[in-house]
Amino acid sequence: EVQLVESGGGLVQPGGSLRLSCAASGFTFSSYDMHWVRQATGRGLEWVSAIASTDDTYYLGSVKGRFTISRENAKNSFFLQMNNLKVGDTAVYYCAVITSDGIYWGQGTLVTVSS
Amino acid sequence: EIVLTQSPGTLSLSPGERATLSCRASQSVGSSYLAWYRQKPGQAPRLLIYAASIRATGTPDRFSGSESGTDFTLTISRLEPEDFAVYYCQQYDRSPWTFGQGTKVEI
Repeated sequence: EVQLVESGGGLVQPGGSLRLSCAASGFTFSSYDMHWVRQATGRGLEWVSAIASTDDTYYLGSVKGRFTISRENAKNSFFLQMNNLKVGDTAVYYCAVITSDGIYWGQGTLVTVSS
Repeated sequence: EIVLTQSPGTLSLSPGERATLSCRASQSVGSSYLAWYRQKPGQAPRLLIYAASIRATGTPDRFSGSESGTDFTLTISRLEPEDFAVYYCQQYDRSPWTFGQGTKVEI
């Protein structure tokens, strides 16, 4: 069974940093592209970043240069380092993966950027 | 990027009625890489349909998906109380993933 578990969210001041983690199980992690998607309270879903199985990385324009995605295949985990956080980054952050039998999401971790 | 437009914004129906939700893509979605989700307040999105018409594991058969060119439809044959929620479509054909703005199904 595919499982994704996020951690690392919390309250941070504008300009601060957080590192989100996503622990994966139930599939061959190293073979799949992994994604981060966020949702601000009362708003829709917004794709944030992805890391391919080849380690190629992709970012939403508004986070480019501030967020860095990485993965550690030996630990079946991937990460989102978020620097210079802005109030507009406040959201629940989900990790997600597409496998041969569906699209799987974690339960999310809340990031709140506020002074 | 592929823009997805969902309609209507809100659908007011009663339990037992049929719901038809639409998602229109701004360009073709290759390999039918279109998914539908249901989201209840405070919960993560739950995958209902992927590849436009394949029910995800555990999705009741009252849910069905179809496509016609760049138009995609989610049909709920008979609404159950748990179906009153927000529904999103998503394309995962091209990066970046994009989502529709959502359709709220309310009583």
